[in-house]
Amino acid sequence: GAGVSQSPSNKVTEKGKDVELRCDPISGHTALYWYRQSLGQGLEFLIYFQGNSAPDKSGLPSDRFSAERTGGSVSTLTIQRTQQEDSAVYLCASSFTAIGELFFGEGSRLTVL
Amino acid sequence: DQQVKQNSPSLSVQEGRISILNCDYTNSMFDYFLWYKKYPAEGPTFLISISSIKDKNEDGRFTVFLNKSAKHLSLHIVPSQPGDSAVYFCAASVKTSYDKVIFGPGTSLSVIP
Repeated sequence: GAGVSQSPSNKVTEKGKDVELRCDPISGHTALYWYRQSLGQGLEFLIYFQGNSAPDKSGLPSDRFSAERTGGSVSTLTIQRTQQEDSAVYLCASSFTAIGELFFGEGSRLTVL
Repeated sequence: DQQVKQNSPSLSVQEGRISILNCDYTNSMFDYFLWYKKYPAEGPTFLISISSIKDKNEDGRFTVFLNKSAKHLSLHIVPSQPGDSAVYFCAASVKTSYDKVIFGPGTSLSVIP
């Protein structure tokens, strides 16, 4: 497809389990972001990949969170030992350049029971 | 420390009237500002942007005003339509250094028919 694709769209997991969320950005986009939106909250920055530069991980809330971007394209956000407070919609966005308009996916809704 | 603030969580406006959404920022290095619109269960979509070299940018019913000395920007929608009902996020970045885009907490706009 032409847009940013995220999977799964919904994930329900038990506390303590690991989850992986996938983002397939728009082809050719060099910048990729992960944000999350908790219930009633705004968009919280998590991590930012720009080309071959080292990612900006300054928004990751704990060391249980990690992300990688393979081959400058697909990205995976991994949450280890999930906690109930990790429940949120995780949004991925990509941009042709670091300074351009961000195109968002529809998000992955994570529910930790 | 929230670098981008939207102090009004919600706003109600009559159809046909003007909607004014406000945003304040603290980082004087920000030089590029964007507004995004988000419907429930969808990713945010880009609405309009403004560079710090301008103080106004207009696109149809949407106009963004930037007051750099006050570190304040606003989005005007006129005339407001029921389809404009959504959450509006203000965002900012330091474009010249390819830095990440930071979002505000959002303002939920309801346009009443």
